[in-house]
Amino acid sequence: EPEVTQTPSHQVTQMGQEVILRCVPISNHLYFYWYRQILGQKVEFLVSFYNNEISEKSEIFDDQFSVERPDGSNFTLKIRSTKLEDSAMYFCASSESDRGVTGELFFGEGSRLTVL
Amino acid sequence: KNQVEQSPQSLIILEGKNCTLQCNYTVSPFSNLRWYKQDTGRGPVSLTIMTFSENTKSNGRYTATLDADTKQSSLHITASQLSDSASYICVVSAGRTYKYIFGTGTRLKVLA
Repeated sequence: EPEVTQTPSHQVTQMGQEVILRCVPISNHLYFYWYRQILGQKVEFLVSFYNNEISEKSEIFDDQFSVERPDGSNFTLKIRSTKLEDSAMYFCASSESDRGVTGELFFGEGSRLTVL
Repeated sequence: KNQVEQSPQSLIILEGKNCTLQCNYTVSPFSNLRWYKQDTGRGPVSLTIMTFSENTKSNGRYTATLDADTKQSSLHITASQLSDSASYICVVSAGRTYKYIFGTGTRLKVLA
């Protein structure tokens, strides 16, 4: 069964360092998303991406964050200068469409980011 | 403001028992509602989707209901198993686009 894959599964970094989280969405999906979940809290929307550009972003997604689809298969989230509060599980998701039944989000297993 | 509230926050039940999780939403315009199961440290997985015209939908031991008038949904789990221990998240789609509003989740623990 097709699935969303994410790497790395866990990354530990020093505050101020750059981090890139990678995702391979399901191949026929057109809409891509990043969410994050701080330990014990709800899933929070970061950004959505369609047709090679950002469709929508949340307040969390400030200038420190960027997304890219460099090669038609990977979808990356970059955090330029990590802060302690960036420690969280980051989930990539993809969907076939942006509405209705085919708008179902398929999530990856997540990348746990720990900022020291 | 679009919001999704879930109750209870956490629940502990014995294996074999039934339970019901609640989701109240103030999302407009309503498109659909999904229940996701999230095992600890894993990504959420969709259990069921409810559209405006649907009142009840089952997926094995999971039965979701939707009352669009009162803006409430429930997820009923029958004959619980240890593997049902997880967080259950209610996600409501607003409007006709990809705006998904996530609930805070209910953490279910099933004990032997």
